[in-house]
Amino acid sequence: DVVMTQSPLSLPVTLGQPASVSCRSSQSLVHSDGNTYLSWFHQRPGQSPRRLIYKVSNRDSGVPDRFSGSGSDTDFTLKISRVEAEDVGVYYCLQATHWPRTFGQGTKVEIK
Amino acid sequence: DVQLLESGGGLVQPGGSLRLSCAASGFAFKYYAMSWVRQAPGKGLEWVSSINDSGYGTNYADSVKGRFTISRDNSKNTQYLQMNSLRAEDTALYYCARNYDFNIWGQGTLVTVSS
Repeated sequence: DVVMTQSPLSLPVTLGQPASVSCRSSQSLVHSDGNTYLSWFHQRPGQSPRRLIYKVSNRDSGVPDRFSGSGSDTDFTLKISRVEAEDVGVYYCLQATHWPRTFGQGTKVEIK
Repeated sequence: DVQLLESGGGLVQPGGSLRLSCAASGFAFKYYAMSWVRQAPGKGLEWVSSINDSGYGTNYADSVKGRFTISRDNSKNTQYLQMNSLRAEDTALYYCARNYDFNIWGQGTLVTVSS
């Protein structure tokens, strides 16, 4: 199975400041079709997860442009350019290149 | 609006069975693969199973293989998860999600396995 390792697991942030979450996979996420199926999700307390980013860097509809994704092969990053109060919660990366699908452990973002 | 609505969760004894349903609306269900993802209390997300658009292609996590069966009825815009031989470690909030990369999620249905 592909192991997804996120860091940090806890991220205290200041409102208006940038934040960054790293996700590393134990093997390449480049699919045989040439795409890299790495997604990012945000889960607020008591809510269902919501996908923010798919195929490394594509924002889902309605996702603010302060969220961006980057990376390649086995090393990926989610960046928030200026953190807002509504951004608190847990962020997960997901690889959808290989079976079984696997998530990172989650990174809890909270306001300092 | 695109919507997924899970139902069928509840309290069941170890070794028991439960069938979850996920009713889809707002999109052409028959053209999409579907999945189940679970989250144990206070824990992270774990993929459980996926099924292709026709229903003839399925995948399972090793932790549920041989005990859980995913299926769908495209005429009813509904997917199912039949869970047998339930264990305490299956206790979780079970989410229905669209496609193989979970671009849409339901609100979840809680399954508690306890005597």
